[in-house]
Amino acid sequence: QKEVEQNSGPLSVPEGAIASLNCTYSDRGSQSFFWYRQYSGKSPELIMFIYSNGDKEDGRFTAQLNKASQYVSLLIRDSQPSDSATYLCAVIATSGTYKYIFGTGTRLKVLA
Amino acid sequence: NAGVTQTPKFRILKIGQSMTLQCAQDMNHNYMYWYRQDPGMGLKLIYYSVGAGITDKGEVPNGYNVSRSTTEDFPLRLELAAPSQTSVYFCASRDSTGNTIYFGEGSWLTVV
Repeated sequence: QKEVEQNSGPLSVPEGAIASLNCTYSDRGSQSFFWYRQYSGKSPELIMFIYSNGDKEDGRFTAQLNKASQYVSLLIRDSQPSDSATYLCAVIATSGTYKYIFGTGTRLKVLA
Repeated sequence: NAGVTQTPKFRILKIGQSMTLQCAQDMNHNYMYWYRQDPGMGLKLIYYSVGAGITDKGEVPNGYNVSRSTTEDFPLRLELAAPSQTSVYFCASRDSTGNTIYFGEGSWLTVV
């Protein structure tokens, strides 16, 4: 079982819609969770992080964490064509290992 | 602002050759990472380091070696290059709070 799993997509949504991206992780002791965006040929860039169960909002982005289900998601409201990119979920493994593990990424296409 | 600097940006190797990918950061970060990203895939952790003189294996360490003699530098050595090592390599560093991982611009390596 991979440590961090994502649906590879592509996920296609119309402009203005809500895009929902999902991620599951296997290490129940994981403490910190991150969402990165990566445009083709570029380095990943941090969108937001979440540590506690529940929702965390930042502008058009909302991260949701459910540690019992080992599930983290990212919602993008009012999706724009410029949001078209690959979204990577990342997890810092159980405290003490310092391993920063990425999922396979979900490719998002926002259709104008 | 230099951040994380990787060299070279592009390199073509012949099968069986060896080379070192250089990585340097000027943010005094203790944690450094090497990832590889195959086309259409996520980032896979090769090696990581939590400080000078301390390194550990990630998800895909075979065929690679690292060293960390200083806080600033974290070179990745490829021995006996194979076509399977054709990939984009990202070096990254992280601050002590763990909120953000800073990436270099990537090194595109082709083994023929």
